[in-house]
Amino acid sequence: SQKIEQNSEALNIQEGKTATLTCNYTNYSPAYLQWYRQDPGRGPVFLLLIRENEKEKRKERLKVTFDTTLKQSLFHITASQPADSATYLCALDEGFQKLVFGTGTRLLVSP
Amino acid sequence: DVKVTQSSRYLVKRTGEKVFLECVQDMDHENMFWYRQDPGLGLRLIYFSYDVKMKEKGDIPEGYSVSREKKERFSLILESASTNQTSMYLCASRTGGGGQETQYFGPGTRLLVL
Repeated sequence: SQKIEQNSEALNIQEGKTATLTCNYTNYSPAYLQWYRQDPGRGPVFLLLIRENEKEKRKERLKVTFDTTLKQSLFHITASQPADSATYLCALDEGFQKLVFGTGTRLLVSP
Repeated sequence: DVKVTQSSRYLVKRTGEKVFLECVQDMDHENMFWYRQDPGLGLRLIYFSYDVKMKEKGDIPEGYSVSREKKERFSLILESASTNQTSMYLCASRTGGGGQETQYFGPGTRLLVL
């Protein structure tokens, strides 16, 4: 089955900088990949989806890239704010309308 | 806005009790999912359902069962709760249509089994 690797260590950055989070997978390239945000004690909230034939997707300050050769997706938050502090989950299509999730990377944005 | 609600935010049960976790979605979604989330292990799929009365095992179904009698409601049942079932339980739903792959999550139920 698909294995997803996200950096388990928290990422600490200063307000205003760009945060870059990494999602690596090991097996087949999925038809699409999604990123979710999760705040403590809450359910994940969908942010962006990128398909296998797309290299890049943007939404306001968010940007996602998808490199099927490297088996990697990068998630960028530009002009980061303390309110962006959360855990970010990468999720891959596993077929049959299921997703497989990474363990998430915690982002801390300091003022 | 899609809304997924779960019956309890926090639950404390004793070992051996039968536990029911309820999930309701209001967007007429065909697919519903139950996950558990544990530190370092991420979200793991317990069961999912793609239609009323239909269910499929996920990655960790042991010790759990599910029920989907109505389209909007998906119940997770712990037949005899054990301490290793202490976890955060998350319900999600999505439409069955192509091009609409987003999963919408409920707020979660934090279950403690003593």
